[in-house]
Amino acid sequence: SAVISQKPSRDICQRGTSLTIQCQVDSQVTMMFWYRQQPGQSLTLIATANQGSEATYESGFVIDKFPISRPNLTFSTLTVSNMSPEDSSIYLCSATDRANTGELFFGEGSRLTVL
Amino acid sequence: AQSVAQPEDQVNVAEGNPLTVKCTYSVSGNPYLFWYVQYPNRGLQFLLKYITGDNLVKGSYGFEAEFNKSQTSFHLKKPSALVSDSALYFCAVRDGLTGGGNKLTFGTGTQLKVEL
Repeated sequence: SAVISQKPSRDICQRGTSLTIQCQVDSQVTMMFWYRQQPGQSLTLIATANQGSEATYESGFVIDKFPISRPNLTFSTLTVSNMSPEDSSIYLCSATDRANTGELFFGEGSRLTVL
Repeated sequence: AQSVAQPEDQVNVAEGNPLTVKCTYSVSGNPYLFWYVQYPNRGLQFLLKYITGDNLVKGSYGFEAEFNKSQTSFHLKKPSALVSDSALYFCAVRDGLTGGGNKLTFGTGTQLKVEL
């Protein structure tokens, strides 16, 4: 299994600002993903973080709004840019292990509130 | 496209009674099915998965799930519920045929409430 650490765990942000969330995995993983969980809702995949190249975004999500980096096999960042109250959500980092069994491991999430 | 349905927003059960949380799925190929649990203010924790083999899968905390191909279901069960089982439960599916890039699609979640 993989242990995933995210920071910050929570933050309160002002409208129009940007915030970067960091995700660190304790072992090398094959794939990393970023999900959003809006209040009272399910998880929605934002993008797949690709090592050393541009992330693969899902429909409805764009790089300008959610730039993602993955410089190596154990670390990724998600930036939420030009935030509005609608961006208030929990952002979850996840990863698969090298056995690639399909099972995802999740971080504790970063709860963002935009005022 | 792959999808998951959890028809119940909330399930209430008395402690000691059996519980069932329902899940149905749709995929093009063979399904890889998962259950996750989310406690308040926490991330998701893996409970169990079905990839292949026995239709009855046993997982963490005494939970089990039964894969039913004809009914395209993967219901989560526990013989005797505990108050500490109260949490939000998510069913998820991945298309095993296409791989889907390990991309999981999650259901909307079912809030389980176990009362004394």
